[in-house]
Amino acid sequence: DVKVTQSSRYLVKRTGEKVFLECVQDMDHENMFWYRQDPGLGLRLIYFSYDVKMKEKGDIPEGYSVSREKKERFSLILESASTNQTSMYLCASSLRATEKLFFGSGTQLSVL
Amino acid sequence: GQQLNQSPQSMFIQEGEDVSMNCTSSSIFNTWLWYKQEPGEGPVLLIALYKAGELTSNGRLTAQFGITRKDSFLNISASIPSDVGIYFCAGQPSGGYQKVTFGTGTKLQVIP
Repeated sequence: DVKVTQSSRYLVKRTGEKVFLECVQDMDHENMFWYRQDPGLGLRLIYFSYDVKMKEKGDIPEGYSVSREKKERFSLILESASTNQTSMYLCASSLRATEKLFFGSGTQLSVL
Repeated sequence: GQQLNQSPQSMFIQEGEDVSMNCTSSSIFNTWLWYKQEPGEGPVLLIALYKAGELTSNGRLTAQFGITRKDSFLNISASIPSDVGIYFCAGQPSGGYQKVTFGTGTKLQVIP
């Protein structure tokens, strides 16, 4: 089975800190995604990447950036964390754009 | 991006009862997807629907692609405690997963 691993289950950061969320997939998938999950709002796409060094904005990219230097790794960066970025962050990957998503277990980020 | 209206938001049911939930959109979709997220895990795909009117089952789960292509339904028969989780619908107009819109989720609790 595909494994999507997110480096941290829980993170607590302070306002203004630079935050890195890491995601690694082990099945040579082309596409990787970062979602944010908030109660009552479902999952919202922040960024996705369809190849190394390629990225596209999702629905809510403001305040975030991403990096994909290697095929298996996709990083989400909060340049200056703010309290409204407190949320559950989910990484996902898929073999091709139309194939099903495999999700990681999520990182619960709290910004104080 | 748009959001899908999913109802109910949450439900408590007795073990053995049947469950129904639905998802509506103002836009047409070519694909409807249903995911389940268990506590502490990422969402996992349960059922994918590709054609208006399609009815598809996966064990005790049955999902339907609405005739108008603007809605979808999920039924769970004879619920068991391990059905607990958050169920998300997702609609895909065309193209890749970057265009998928997720619903707001239905949180299901099963009382043994």
